[in-house]
Amino acid sequence: DAGITQSPRHKVTETGTPVTLRCHQTENHRYMYWYRQDPGHGLRLIHYSYGVKDTDKGEVSDGYSVSRSKTEDFLLTLESATSSQTSVYFCAISEGAGTEAFFGQGTRLTVV
Amino acid sequence: DAKTTQPPSMDCAEGRAANLPCNHSTISGNEYVYWYRQIHSQGPQYIIHGLKNNETNEMASLIITEDRKSSTLILPHATLRDTAVYYCIVREGRGSTLGRLYFGRGTQLTVWP
Repeated sequence: DAGITQSPRHKVTETGTPVTLRCHQTENHRYMYWYRQDPGHGLRLIHYSYGVKDTDKGEVSDGYSVSRSKTEDFLLTLESATSSQTSVYFCAISEGAGTEAFFGQGTRLTVV
Repeated sequence: DAKTTQPPSMDCAEGRAANLPCNHSTISGNEYVYWYRQIHSQGPQYIIHGLKNNETNEMASLIITEDRKSSTLILPHATLRDTAVYYCIVREGRGSTLGRLYFGRGTQLTVWP
């Protein structure tokens, strides 16, 4: 398995609080991605990074920000969590833009 | 946006070949066809990818039509553990500067004993 660790694996938080999810990789891969998965929508890309300090938006980026200060860590922040952000969040990594991506085990976030 | 169309569900008897179709009629010349699967609640798992030639690995075979507008993922001897949602994705290949993967709804494959 690719060396990807997501933390926390489960979190319950209150509406309006900030939340940060962490994705850590040990593969030294250049590309990192954050997805969310909801029933009826499948996996949707939130943000991705193509290098340290280089990030871009995906298809559902509103309400989320990301940071990548070093190769191994990609942080996803919900500045003020809302109930609509209750979801399972997956991190993925790939060596290059056109190479296969490997996914973490997911973080289940519940906003109450 | 997802650029693929897959049937929402299929089933297959254990030990038989599972053939999962995918239409990608708008695929462009530099885009690869990728297949992933997701077993309940786990992260998606890479299976195989190809550009225009058929590909085979230890998990599956990928057959791409000559016009590249459709493909079929073949699991030669399906087992109960192959029950999962299978995603067909088109994605720019090596040399791309984007690297985004867009997932559609996928096909729920159920393997029965």
